[in-house]
Amino acid sequence: AQKITQTQPGMFVQEKEAVTLDCTYDTSDPSYGLFWYKQPSSGEMIFLIYQGSYDQQNATEGRYSLNFQKARKSANLVISASQLGDSAMYFCAMRERGLRETSGSRLTFGEGTQLTVNP
Amino acid sequence: KAGVTQTPRYLIKTRGQQVTLSCSPISGHRSVSWYQQTPGQGLQFLFEYFSETQRNKGNFPGRFSGRQFSNSRSEMNVSTLELGDSALYLCASSFASTGGYEQYFGPGTRLTVT
Repeated sequence: AQKITQTQPGMFVQEKEAVTLDCTYDTSDPSYGLFWYKQPSSGEMIFLIYQGSYDQQNATEGRYSLNFQKARKSANLVISASQLGDSAMYFCAMRERGLRETSGSRLTFGEGTQLTVNP
Repeated sequence: KAGVTQTPRYLIKTRGQQVTLSCSPISGHRSVSWYQQTPGQGLQFLFEYFSETQRNKGNFPGRFSGRQFSNSRSEMNVSTLELGDSALYLCASSFASTGGYEQYFGPGTRLTVT
């Protein structure tokens, strides 16, 4: 069974500093996708970044980068130059990658990390 | 391109009633998934539809059901509501029913059962 572990229930960072949110995963599937989402207090789940298990390069999207260490089964999110608007809950998630487009899959989420950016 | 839309955004129902939630995916996306989020259980997968067929199902009782239409829009229904069904229900769309594609969420429907 798939499992996502986020060991940091809460994190604090000063504005303009970088912060790393930890995520480890467990799966027996050789092919999978890893996701990070941001959920502000409004409730909407905002997609941030995606990393495929066979991708050679670490994914980057603007101020977000994913530090993917496959052998250690970790997929940490790095946010550079934190902004006050980054304060939110952050979820790491994994989705198995089936053999076909119609294989059927689900996202398995971690428990989340509440990030607070201080001015 | 318009994002995932969900209606209604807020809903208050009484125990024993039933409710139908609607989700319109991003144009061109054929996979729609539903998730329930509660403070105690976190985010849990309900089911996924692709091309009008249920491809995957989570561990929820039969009171929870869904369907997908030919235009990829999806509805989920909860019958005989219980207090524990109070939650944020999130819908997500993806191009395909596999992990190689990004999955985008709608704003959610916040259901309160009294």
